[in-house]
Amino acid sequence: EAQVTQNPRYLITVTGKKLTVTCSQNMNHEYMSWYRQDPGLGLRQIYYSMNVEVTDKGDVPEGYKVSRKEKRNFPLILESPSPNQTSLYFCASGKTTQYFGPGTRLLVL
Amino acid sequence: RKEVEQDPGPFNVPEGATVAFNCTYSNSASQSFFWYRQDCRKEPKLLMSVYSSGNEDGRFTAQLNRASQYISLLIRDSKLSDSATYLCVVSPTGGFKTIFGAGTRLFVKA
Repeated sequence: EAQVTQNPRYLITVTGKKLTVTCSQNMNHEYMSWYRQDPGLGLRQIYYSMNVEVTDKGDVPEGYKVSRKEKRNFPLILESPSPNQTSLYFCASGKTTQYFGPGTRLLVL
Repeated sequence: RKEVEQDPGPFNVPEGATVAFNCTYSNSASQSFFWYRQDCRKEPKLLMSVYSSGNEDGRFTAQLNRASQYISLLIRDSKLSDSATYLCVVSPTGGFKTIFGAGTRLFVKA
């Protein structure tokens, strides 16, 4: 079954405590992407990756890092989370049709 | 001005009604257009791509107007299960970025 998985699904953390949200896909897609979704703003692209070791900034990259060491995985790293990064995060795989993971709800206190 | 703009709604319609959403985009070089559906803060799912000639999938019709830089989605014979948020998506020419509209909320009532 074609799938994009994200972990954790829910996370409460404190300001400054580094965290990683994992994303994995089993469709052999070259293109993967991270979005955040906030009320009234829709989905905004954080980073995307065109292939292994190839990543680029989206519209809201500040405060985030990504890596793409394997085709199937595309983790999102928040080195020093702040309350304004409280949001719903989606990982997506595929370019023409994007398949989304179930989302990660993050609360930064 | 936002790159992709949608009327946030909500649109409240009775079952069986026809409803239309528009979405405008600012980058005239945009190449790819899509409509996604999102249920209640779940993950978005592709509803349909939008082609220059217009395309139809059952009760859903999507159209692109490049001159006026908008795309539209028409839903005929609305069902309760059509209640969702509809997201307009645009990708620039040759680019890898994807830009989502903020979404239009639809409520279909019995």
